[in-house]
Amino acid sequence: EAGVTQFPSHSVIEKGQTVTLRCDPISGHDNLYWYRRVMGKEIKFLLHFVKESKQDESGMPNNRFLAERTGGTYSTLKVQPAELEDSGVYFCASSQFREKLFFGSGTQLSVL
Amino acid sequence: AQSVTQLDSHVSVSEGTPVLLRCNYSSSYSPSLFWYVQHPNKGLQLLLKYTSAATLVKGINGFEAEFKKSETSFHLTKPSAHMSDAAEYFCVVSVPSGTYKYIFGTGTRLKVLA
Repeated sequence: EAGVTQFPSHSVIEKGQTVTLRCDPISGHDNLYWYRRVMGKEIKFLLHFVKESKQDESGMPNNRFLAERTGGTYSTLKVQPAELEDSGVYFCASSQFREKLFFGSGTQLSVL
Repeated sequence: AQSVTQLDSHVSVSEGTPVLLRCNYSSSYSPSLFWYVQHPNKGLQLLLKYTSAATLVKGINGFEAEFKKSETSFHLTKPSAHMSDAAEYFCVVSVPSGTYKYIFGTGTRLKVLA
């Protein structure tokens, strides 16, 4: 069974540019989560999808971040325009039962 | 509010010696607690979880953790460290809401010396 996959694994962009991160959850998992780890800090919740609907987006930092989940399958997280403080590792997780999350290996985003 | 505190950012042990990674939690509810591990360039992997059943929880790769309500602790242990245990470990508490979001500790990086 394929795990949670994230693309790209690394992204280096300049301040002001746009970046789109993608997450493919485990097939059949209705719940999809985005988390972020800024350098030296803890991993923090960004948002939660149930199928294609946003269940909770209380962790999204500001309106430069836009998450979508087309048809309840894969999800994208767009940052536009990117700022220096957006640098970090972005993790995606999916679950069938909410108590057990499966995480991807993350996207390392560097904004210069 | 729920929170977790990992008391050590770095721990070094010699191969074959015991491992102790410390975690204290704060929760208004009966908590669900987890330990996750991240090896370099890999995803976060669930080691074990506590969900109000037995207080001593056994996980994968010989790890276990004991839930101590009186001390609000959930320390991770392993009797004998292996080189492959070198990784970053995260203590996690879940928020019992509809979203079931996780609250992570800041992580403990375990180094295993030959």
